[in-house]
Amino acid sequence: DAGITQSPRHKVTETGTPVTLRCHQTENHRYMYWYRQDPGHGLRLIHYSYGVKDTDKGEVSDGYSVSRSKTEDFLLTLESATSSQTSVYFCAITPARASGNTIYFGEGSWLTVV
Amino acid sequence: AQTVTQSQPEMSVQEAETVTLSCTYDTSESDYYLFWYKQPPSRQMILVIRQEAYKQQNATENRFSVNFQKAAKSFSLKISDSQLGDAAMYFCAYRVSAGNMLTFGGGTRLMVKP
Repeated sequence: DAGITQSPRHKVTETGTPVTLRCHQTENHRYMYWYRQDPGHGLRLIHYSYGVKDTDKGEVSDGYSVSRSKTEDFLLTLESATSSQTSVYFCAITPARASGNTIYFGEGSWLTVV
Repeated sequence: AQTVTQSQPEMSVQEAETVTLSCTYDTSESDYYLFWYKQPPSRQMILVIRQEAYKQQNATENRFSVNFQKAAKSFSLKISDSQLGDAAMYFCAYRVSAGNMLTFGGGTRLMVKP
């Protein structure tokens, strides 16, 4: 158990609307990540954070923004959702003492853009 | 850029038998980590096993073991005494030790026949 809570777990939204996904952790992990999973692509990194207000882009960051105003919460925002952003979104963390910089994942958030 | 390739989209194994899932990767780095994750139908990403590139000894976790061939850039997963609960998608992943991105292969779907 990575101690991560994602919300919402399921959401259907319309094209062009803004959407925010929340990742919450209670164990003071410094590193947090957002990945998306699509068929045939495994998981791909969208954005990550290495501390409060410290974020950086990943492999597929276009159309997404993130914010981390406090250690516990890492927010992923789709400013204007498109159908190509229909996906399963995973939040992840690296515990400070993780062996091999292992990344642990939350349970995922299913987003459908219609 | 690093790439991870899983050449077997699907595999099947008889219950109680042994199966090996293949993974190759491409990197110019010398210090990195390799992982196998299991994703059951619930879509939870579960860490199965990890391997540090600097370690020559192959990692083992109960019925799961790896065959790490650094020169060949190969990282296969062996599942012994397969159980029905092993049925899932399996993803191979790579991470540079100083990096923040986990690069995934496309996955192998493992079916276990009773």
